Amino acid sequence: RKEVEQDPGPFNVPEGATVAFNCTYSNSASQSFFWYRQDCRKEPKLLMSVYSSGNEDGRFTAQLNRASQYISLLIRDSKLSDSATYLCVVTSGGSYIPTFGRGTSLIVHP
Amino acid sequence: SAVISQKPSRDICQRGTSLTIQCQVDSQVTMMFWYRQQPGQSLTLIATANQGSEATYESGFVIDKFPISRPNLTFSTLTVSNMSPEDSSIYLCSVVGAAADNEKLFFGSGTQLSVL
Repeated sequence: RKEVEQDPGPFNVPEGATVAFNCTYSNSASQSFFWYRQDCRKEPKLLMSVYSSGNEDGRFTAQLNRASQYISLLIRDSKLSDSATYLCVVTSGGSYIPTFGRGTSLIVHP
Repeated sequence: SAVISQKPSRDICQRGTSLTIQCQVDSQVTMMFWYRQQPGQSLTLIATANQGSEATYESGFVIDKFPISRPNLTFSTLTVSNMSPEDSSIYLCSVVGAAADNEKLFFGSGTQLSVL
């Protein structure tokens, strides 16, 4: 089983739609969680951190469920510019080594 | 956030040659990583670049193939040695931010390598 798993998609949604991605992780000792966005042929960029209490940044909401070992990303009112690959990143305690999921591809169409 | 300058941005190389990729950070950072990303795949960690000591390599990656230097806290190089077409990939350096950006990763713009 991979340490961090994501549905690769693609998720193909119309503008204005709400879309949610999930990411599961296998290491129960994982400490920190992030969502990154990667555009085609570009480097990943931090979208948001994920906190136990859940957090929101504009149209984006991230949540963590430690009991079930998954994190989620909700995008409301999708824009064309949201089209990208969304990477789930998990770090574990001790020596900080981030582990990436394979990414979920989102396509927002007019 | 940390600003990372990575070069070259792309290169086309002949089989059997070597390429050195450089990353310069605008601030001192403790942790620096080198990743590889093959088409349609996620990022695979090659190694952690340690300042003043040998890099720590992940399973499947060895120093002879991917020698890494880290002479100080703002600079690192990754060399892809004796290249073959299977080494064609995007190579990314990454650092962990400091202070309020602790545990957040920042990436260089990547080096797209094609080996003929």
